Amino acid sequence: NAGVTQTPKFRVLKTGQSMTLLCAQDMNHEYMYWYRQDPGMGLRLIHYSVGEGTTAKGEVPDGYNVSRLKKQNFLLGLESAAPSQTSVYFCASSYSFQRGSTDTQYFGPGTRLTVL
Amino acid sequence: AQSVTQPDIHITVSEGASLELRCNYSYGATPYLFWYVQSPGQGLQLLLKYFSGDTLVQGIKGFEAEFKRSQSSFNLRKPSVHWSDAAEYFCAVGGKTSYDKVIFGPGTSLSVIP
Repeated sequence: NAGVTQTPKFRVLKTGQSMTLLCAQDMNHEYMYWYRQDPGMGLRLIHYSVGEGTTAKGEVPDGYNVSRLKKQNFLLGLESAAPSQTSVYFCASSYSFQRGSTDTQYFGPGTRLTVL
Repeated sequence: AQSVTQPDIHITVSEGASLELRCNYSYGATPYLFWYVQSPGQGLQLLLKYFSGDTLVQGIKGFEAEFKRSQSSFNLRKPSVHWSDAAEYFCAVGGKTSYDKVIFGPGTSLSVIP
């Protein structure tokens, strides 16, 4: 099993450009999450999904959109990138829904995004 | 409000010394607690978790943590630190329902002196 994978690993954008980050998991997890990690702030939840076709807002959703068209994939989109979105983005997945309790999240390796 | 605090931003210990990383949480219901480790340039890896039962939890890599409800704490400990333990450590809290999100603390950076 590959676990949780993210593409791309690195990306540099100019202000106003758009891009999509792809997260894929092969563990048949119901839940998937997108976080951003900034120095001294830990991980902050951007959006999450409790199953195929569903999405919900996290702590810092503004400027981002997500889609979960397939159970194994969770896409994070930036429609018009801003320098404040320079960060490291982590995707995670978990079994929460099936087991009825908050369970271990498995993390991808991260995507380092710089917006100039 | 739900929150996690890790009072120590950075800790330096000598190899072979004992380690304790502090974590305090604020949560309205029964908390589920986690410690994750992040090595430089890597994603997060689960060290241990507490859901219920024995309040002293054993994890991977020789780590343990103790849940103290009266102090709202979940401190991480290791009796003898190895140089490879140098990393960022995150405490996190979640709830017991499927719709409770996990809240992460700001992290504690650990340096190990050979």
